[in-house]
Amino acid sequence: DAGVIQSPRHEVTEMGQEVTLRCKPISGHNSLFWYRQTMMRGLELLIYFNNNVPIDDSGMPEDRFSAKMPNASFSTLKIQPSEPRDSAVYFCASRSRLTGTNNEQFFGPGTRLTVL
Amino acid sequence: GENVGLHLPTLSVQEGDNSIINCAYSNSASDYFIWYKQESGKGPQFIIDIRSNMDKRQGQRVTVLLNKTVKHLSLQIAATQPGDSAVYFCAPQRYRDDKIIFGKGTRLHILP
Repeated sequence: DAGVIQSPRHEVTEMGQEVTLRCKPISGHNSLFWYRQTMMRGLELLIYFNNNVPIDDSGMPEDRFSAKMPNASFSTLKIQPSEPRDSAVYFCASRSRLTGTNNEQFFGPGTRLTVL
Repeated sequence: GENVGLHLPTLSVQEGDNSIINCAYSNSASDYFIWYKQESGKGPQFIIDIRSNMDKRQGQRVTVLLNKTVKHLSLQIAATQPGDSAVYFCAPQRYRDDKIIFGKGTRLHILP
């Protein structure tokens, strides 16, 4: 398995532009997580899905952020409009959610976003 | 400009020595505890976990010790190598939990 795939790996955009980050989870995993990592706040959970359904979006900073999971093999995180303070590394992780097992999440390589 | 951010506890260890990374927790109802490692430029990677009914668990070059009395656990890395240089996170978990709350972590720095 190729692991969790994220694209693009790097994104540089200007303030006000729309940004779409993409994630392909590991095949067979039924939970998907979006995180943001910055020097100031560390690694923060933004939103997660179980079986393609958003379960907890309390970490989404504001309405400019939205996430979708139209099917089990694809998710997007969209920022519209983007702002310089959105600059961060965005990670996607997936997990096979089985009762009684540990919470091992598999992380993608991340997307480094720079908003100028 | 000056790099202002989270102040990560840093442990500097000579290559070849053993490393001990400590972690304190507050939720005594935790079912298990997990350790993740994040190397520079990569996403976090699961290392090992330990159930709350255990005191010790060993993996490859790593040992986790759990002391529930004082709500403390440690990750011991034997014969530390340059590839062990990373930020290490511990997190208490309940079986029903979906989320992992990553704290600020501990940076392990390997001295040549």
